[in-house]
Amino acid sequence: NAGVTQTPKFRVLKTGQSMTLLCAQDMNHEYMYWYRQDPGMGLRLIHYSVGEGTTAKGEVPDGYNVSRLKKQNFLLGLESAAPSQTSVYFCASSYPGRRGGRGLGPHNEQFFGPGTRLTVL
Amino acid sequence: AQSVTQLGSHVSVSEGALVLLRCNYSSSVPPYLFWYVQYPNQGLQLLLKYTTGATLVKGINGFEAEFKKSETSFHLTKPSAHMSDAAEYFCAALYGNNRLAFGKGNQVVVIP
Repeated sequence: NAGVTQTPKFRVLKTGQSMTLLCAQDMNHEYMYWYRQDPGMGLRLIHYSVGEGTTAKGEVPDGYNVSRLKKQNFLLGLESAAPSQTSVYFCASSYPGRRGGRGLGPHNEQFFGPGTRLTVL
Repeated sequence: AQSVTQLGSHVSVSEGALVLLRCNYSSSVPPYLFWYVQYPNQGLQLLLKYTTGATLVKGINGFEAEFKKSETSFHLTKPSAHMSDAAEYFCAALYGNNRLAFGKGNQVVVIP
């Protein structure tokens, strides 16, 4: 199993350009997430998906769009890149929690990809 | 708002000394708790997690953490630091919405 993979690993964009980051997982996970990591800020959730065809906003969704057309793939798009989007982007996936109750279960560990380092000039 | 607090962005520890990283969460209902480690230019790797049951949790590489509900804490420790422990460590809490809240991280530097 490859786990969670991300492409590309590095990218440099000019302000206003667009691009798509691809995340793929081969663990049959229902949930997938996109985070950005900035120095001193920890990881902040951009968007997430609880299943194929569904997406939801996270903590910092502005300037990003996502799609989950296939269960194994989660795409993050930047329509018009800005220097403030210079960051390291991580994708993660996990099993869902138990049905009902608190929605938590034994398989809630999130598995992370290796990251994409994006620079916007 | 659900949050996780890690104090001290940089932590220096001598090789062979105790590693102690503090983590506090904000919630009246205990979430599931995790410690992740990130080595340079890599993704996050799970060190250990607390879900239910025993409050002292053992993880990989000799790390352990203790869940204390009364203190809303989940501090990470290792009795003897090794040079290979130099990395960034993140505490995270998983609440009922299946979303992880991360602390800001501790950059651990091990001094020979």
